Amino acid sequence: GAGVSQSPRYKVAKRGQDVALRCDPISGHVSLFWYQQALGQGPEFLTYFQNEAQLDKSGLPSDRFFAERPEGSVSTLKIQRTQQEDSAVYLCASSRPPAYEQYFGPGTRLTVT
Amino acid sequence: AQKITQTQPGMFVQEKEAVTLDCTYDTSDQSYGLFWYKQPSSGEMIFLIYQGSYDEQNATEGRYSLNFQKARKSANLVISASQLGDSAMYFCAMREDVAQKLVFGQGTRLTINP
Repeated sequence: GAGVSQSPRYKVAKRGQDVALRCDPISGHVSLFWYQQALGQGPEFLTYFQNEAQLDKSGLPSDRFFAERPEGSVSTLKIQRTQQEDSAVYLCASSRPPAYEQYFGPGTRLTVT
Repeated sequence: AQKITQTQPGMFVQEKEAVTLDCTYDTSDQSYGLFWYKQPSSGEMIFLIYQGSYDEQNATEGRYSLNFQKARKSANLVISASQLGDSAMYFCAMREDVAQKLVFGQGTRLTINP
């Protein structure tokens, strides 16, 4: 079946612009995660949804970052007033409990100039 | 706090040889899971193998096996009969059952030489 998809794959934003990154999880996966991966580093957790409920947003680095999943399927990560330090690959993953493994999308590479 | 340590920034191995990628972890929880992911140059994270903290046997998936030593808090990945396509970044990660998130190590870049 189809895997996790993300769009756009690449995004260039000028400093101060708002961006929206989209994630389509695997059908039937109730859990959805966002991670941020800086160049040469491992992914770092941003936020987690179970269905439409955002159960953990402890990894969001500032109040400029906002995520939603209003109908429990597609999710959007929004970054307001982008800064250069926001440049990274943003990875989305989904899973279906009780299985533990998370399946990742291809990521969105955000470059803030 | 959780912590995953991968001490090998890079590994170079001849094709068809076995390779062990090291991972140690730190947690005070009794119930947790350990994962290995592969990240080729294309960027996608590919799930390889999972080990639960209460699993008595080491996990195996094809050419991948996880050498789980609970007392030492290590979860090394063993790849048998390496292939050129195994060249990639490899990440070890941990999930505590209370929290759903994965915590990743810094990764090891594996290069398979022909």
